[in-house]
Amino acid sequence: NAGVTQTPKFQVLKTGQSMTLQCAQDMNHNSMYWYRQDPGMGLRLIYYSASEGTTDKGEVPNGYNVSRLNKREFSLRLESAAPSQTSVYFCASSEEGDYGYTFGSGTRLTVV
Amino acid sequence: AQSVTQPDIHITVSEGASLELRCNYSYGATPYLFWYVQSPGQGLQLLLKYFSGDTLVQGIKGFEAEFKRSQSSFNLRKPSVHWSDAAEYFCAVVAPNTNAGKSTFGDGTTLTVKP
Repeated sequence: NAGVTQTPKFQVLKTGQSMTLQCAQDMNHNSMYWYRQDPGMGLRLIYYSASEGTTDKGEVPNGYNVSRLNKREFSLRLESAAPSQTSVYFCASSEEGDYGYTFGSGTRLTVV
Repeated sequence: AQSVTQPDIHITVSEGASLELRCNYSYGATPYLFWYVQSPGQGLQLLLKYFSGDTLVQGIKGFEAEFKRSQSSFNLRKPSVHWSDAAEYFCAVVAPNTNAGKSTFGDGTTLTVKP
């Protein structure tokens, strides 16, 4: 039982490059989330998806886009990376009505 | 909107000593409350959660937390800390009956365990 799988684990981008962070869960969860974690700032919500076919902005959506491809997969895209997007990105999912998250192991992104 | 405060950025305890990590929340009613643990280089793992009912909840790895409505607190406790408990701990809240159960996280408390 893999839980939540994120790829890649590490990535270095140059300013202005684009990339997509992949996330897949195998627990049949309806809700999925993307957070970023920065030192001393906890986790901040970028985007979330309450169910397949829906996405909504979180606290810090600027510079990002998302796609809920199907119930399992929720991807995060950086169209033109900036140094301020250097962070650790976590994908999570939750069962409807439970709200306790299962997290992936994270993607450490550095933008130079 | 809800918010979470973890007053202690860093706590050091000796192995075998008791532990209490503080969490205070701000919300107009009783939110859903959670504690997560993050080991270095890892994702977060759910320790325990509170929705309603008994205010003392038990979690994994020997942790427990107590909800106190009068103090808007949800403190995490462990009677005897092990070296493997060294990690970062996050408190989180979810506003009930909201779309998709978005969590708001505190800034975290780093626990160091002395031998």
